[in-house]
Amino acid sequence: DGGITQSPKYLFRKEGQNVTLSCEQNLNHDAMYWYRQDPGQGLRLIYYSQIVNDFQKGDIAEGYSVSREKKESFPLTVTSAQKNPTAFYLCASSGNNSPEAFFGQGTRLTVV
Amino acid sequence: GQNIDQPTEMTATEGAIVQINCTYQTSGFNGLFWYQQHAGEAPTFLSYNVLDGLEEKGRFSSFLSRSKGYSYLLLKELQMKDSASYLCAVRDRGGGSYIPTFGRGTSLIVHP
Repeated sequence: DGGITQSPKYLFRKEGQNVTLSCEQNLNHDAMYWYRQDPGQGLRLIYYSQIVNDFQKGDIAEGYSVSREKKESFPLTVTSAQKNPTAFYLCASSGNNSPEAFFGQGTRLTVV
Repeated sequence: GQNIDQPTEMTATEGAIVQINCTYQTSGFNGLFWYQQHAGEAPTFLSYNVLDGLEEKGRFSSFLSRSKGYSYLLLKELQMKDSASYLCAVRDRGGGSYIPTFGRGTSLIVHP
């Protein structure tokens, strides 16, 4: 089945460590996105990529980095520079045939 | 950017009808989405409006008025499983990115 997969679902890290969240899609979508969701805040855009080897900062990119070496993959690294990394992270993708974004199941990151 | 406003929380009775409103301000409107999100899960696509009027899909309908910067999601014959957060998202063509911006979501509680 086609879809978008995030792993892991739950992730715990110590403060000061970098951590990479995985996002893979087999929908042949060109565009991929990373959002962060905090209670009462809705979804806020971290980074997005509209084509392989290209990506752009979203509204809250500080303390994060991404890469887009393959069409299927858009990993997000949460660096030690991110002040409040504990959150629910959602990856999404969209294609040319329909306007809506398809979301992965999310990764809940807890930094202790 | 966009300003998107929707109520924080609503309650309704099983079997009833509820209308969730969303107002927005954007300079280059290119479509409005509604998503449903159950706690701890990924958002799922409900509807997309780009032209004025009402779009009906089973128990759910979505309305758009571009001149008023206004949309609503109408849920009929409410069921307990409809208890979820409902996210309004607006796509703007500014900068050629067409990235959707999300509101904070409306938490709907359906009680017996």
